Amino acid sequence: QVQLVESGGGVVQPGRSLRLSCTVSGFAFSPYGMHWVRQAPGKGLEWVAVIGYDGINKDYADSVKGRFTISRDNSKNTLYLQMNSLRDEDTAVYYCARDGPGRPAAGTLYFQHWGQGTLVTVSS
Amino acid sequence: DIVMTQSPDSLGVSLGERATINCKSSQSVLYSSNNKNYLAWYQQKPGQPPKLLIYWASTRESGVPDRFSGSGSGTDFTLTITSLQPEDVAVYYCQHYYLTPPAFGQGTKVEIK
Repeated sequence: QVQLVESGGGVVQPGRSLRLSCTVSGFAFSPYGMHWVRQAPGKGLEWVAVIGYDGINKDYADSVKGRFTISRDNSKNTLYLQMNSLRDEDTAVYYCARDGPGRPAAGTLYFQHWGQGTLVTVSS
Repeated sequence: DIVMTQSPDSLGVSLGERATINCKSSQSVLYSSNNKNYLAWYQQKPGQPPKLLIYWASTRESGVPDRFSGSGSGTDFTLTITSLQPEDVAVYYCQHYYLTPPAFGQGTKVEIK
């Protein structure tokens, strides 16, 4: 069955860096766009970043642009999120999510499968 | 950016009764070239990731009970749970994926009255 497993979360001081990974199984990774979505404690869902199936097209939320980098290694079935210059407000559970099938005629696609999430806490 | 606004913020419904959640987008999410509404609904239970319920505004994801249905077009959408069950207690989010950034509504908490 489809599985997405995030790792790499933890406690980090403001201004430091952290790299999250999302390893997938149960489906062919390379044809799908992938996203990172976060949820601050007790809050709603916030989209963070997207990467196209080929790793070329990427986009970011304004709140993380210039600080976070999304990437993927299709040979390892793994999605990454490099987070630099972390701030208190980046504290959240970070989920990876897989697009639905096909290529979007516009925008992106709905998020068909989600991982369980990894908690990132930014605190001094 | 497109802003998604849900109403109400919370909803208490008796078991077996209907629950209705509304979602409004700040601009149309209907793509004219394919006549599809780029709108999804998710269910999130405590301590769990979101789960896709509905996409293209009204297509039910595989395995989702048929008591869940989505409707609407353009800027106004509705998620209906026709006969609320105990396992439906959750927070429900609408989301547009018409362009980047895709955005979620603030969520609607559904409880048993």
